[in-house]
Amino acid sequence: AQSVAQPEDQVNVAEGNPLTVKCTYSVSGNPYLFWYVQYPNRGLQFLLKYITGDNLVKGSYGFEAEFNKSQTSFHLKKPSALVSDSALYFCAVRAYSNYQLIWGAGTKLIIKP
Amino acid sequence: GAVVSQHPSWVICKSGTSVKIECRSLDFQATTMFWYRQFPKQSLMLMATSNEGSKATYEQGVEKDKFLINHASLTLSTLTVTSAHPEDSSFYICSARGTEGGSSPLHFGNGTRLTVT
Repeated sequence: AQSVAQPEDQVNVAEGNPLTVKCTYSVSGNPYLFWYVQYPNRGLQFLLKYITGDNLVKGSYGFEAEFNKSQTSFHLKKPSALVSDSALYFCAVRAYSNYQLIWGAGTKLIIKP
Repeated sequence: GAVVSQHPSWVICKSGTSVKIECRSLDFQATTMFWYRQFPKQSLMLMATSNEGSKATYEQGVEKDKFLINHASLTLSTLTVTSAHPEDSSFYICSARGTEGGSSPLHFGNGTRLTVT
């Protein structure tokens, strides 16, 4: 069965420190992988995607994600966290053969000054 | 580009009334739009897929007679919550796929907070 796991409900990071939000997936075939961010009472904003090519993908607001096929992971990273990065982050995967997106449960990121 | 506008952003209605939520793609044509429901501190739950000019495809467990979806044009889809009850109170979000083909990300509206009293 296709699935996405975000193992951490919440991640706390001090401002200026690097951050990682974890995502692992299970899908048949080649995956399309996405990260979205949601601010309170707002819709989701697209951050970045992996389709093919370089395993390190750069996206909006200084975020990047690394695709690791052997570990079936797509962790979101940022070298230096900002307080304004505090939000809810969702990982999603789409099977090549299916347009449906499978969503992770979301990870609340809290950046403390 | 690829802006999705959702209206209203919040609505309060009395139990038994109906509420219509609009989702518009402002600068692109969206043949397919998706309606999600989000409960507090939970992930997105896909309710239905809205296809322009045809009937929506509802996910299992979603009442199609209660959540009416109309996708009459390439830029507008509407979700009508009929005979709303307090348990329908939730955050509803629409999205549309971009025009880049199969790898297009979804573009989301800002959501509608529905409160049924």
